[in-house]
Amino acid sequence: DTGVSQDPRHKITKRGQNVTFRCDPISEHNRLYWYRQTLGQGPEFLTYFQNEAQLEKSRLLSDRFSAERPKGSFSTLEIQRTEQGDSAMYLCASNPRDSKGDSGANVLTFGAGSRLTVL
Amino acid sequence: AQKVTQAQTEISVVEKEDVTLDCVYETRDTTYYLFWYKQPPSGELVFLIRRNSFDEQNEISGRYSWNFQKSTSSFNFTITASQVVDSAVYFCALSEGFGDYKLSFGAGTTVTVRA
Repeated sequence: DTGVSQDPRHKITKRGQNVTFRCDPISEHNRLYWYRQTLGQGPEFLTYFQNEAQLEKSRLLSDRFSAERPKGSFSTLEIQRTEQGDSAMYLCASNPRDSKGDSGANVLTFGAGSRLTVL
Repeated sequence: AQKVTQAQTEISVVEKEDVTLDCVYETRDTTYYLFWYKQPPSGELVFLIRRNSFDEQNEISGRYSWNFQKSTSSFNFTITASQVVDSAVYFCALSEGFGDYKLSFGAGTTVTVRA
């Protein structure tokens, strides 16, 4: 499978626990994005990386949310002290950076998502 | 402020009918991308089309067509002769500037095609 992989697909946790999601992008893609999708809404941008550098994190929902991509390959999204409002689908996407500009290859490829339920 | 508005929450049609999904966007940038994605019941977002702000040419791909009008800030999507497999949630999205794919999605339109 050469798509974007996310793990786990489903996570049920109790309020106050920490959770971590993993994303493996398409291997030649150097940009990786995290989005959150709540029920009945479109995905909401959270953060993104180019290789191991986190280029924007101001949209992370609170300081309980953090993301890493230490070796520029897979990424993790951690939510500390989960709250019921964190229940959502967490989507990862990747794309290659093309310094030449507009290219169809730049389009995001999304993973199937990790669904979080906080009880 | 909402950057992408999809006013239609749900649309239900009978197979072979045409269906048009509306999308209105808001941006002050002169360079931007517009997208449509499909999210079938399986959940994975599937890319359908990307247009850049300098290309208002309408596009047709099989049964799908898109109408981009900068004058009305709209990027509408039509499915011709709908099929049951077209049943999904469809999202319109905007990315301001070229190169950073920080998409702003609309709330989506659920399309149900009945046999």
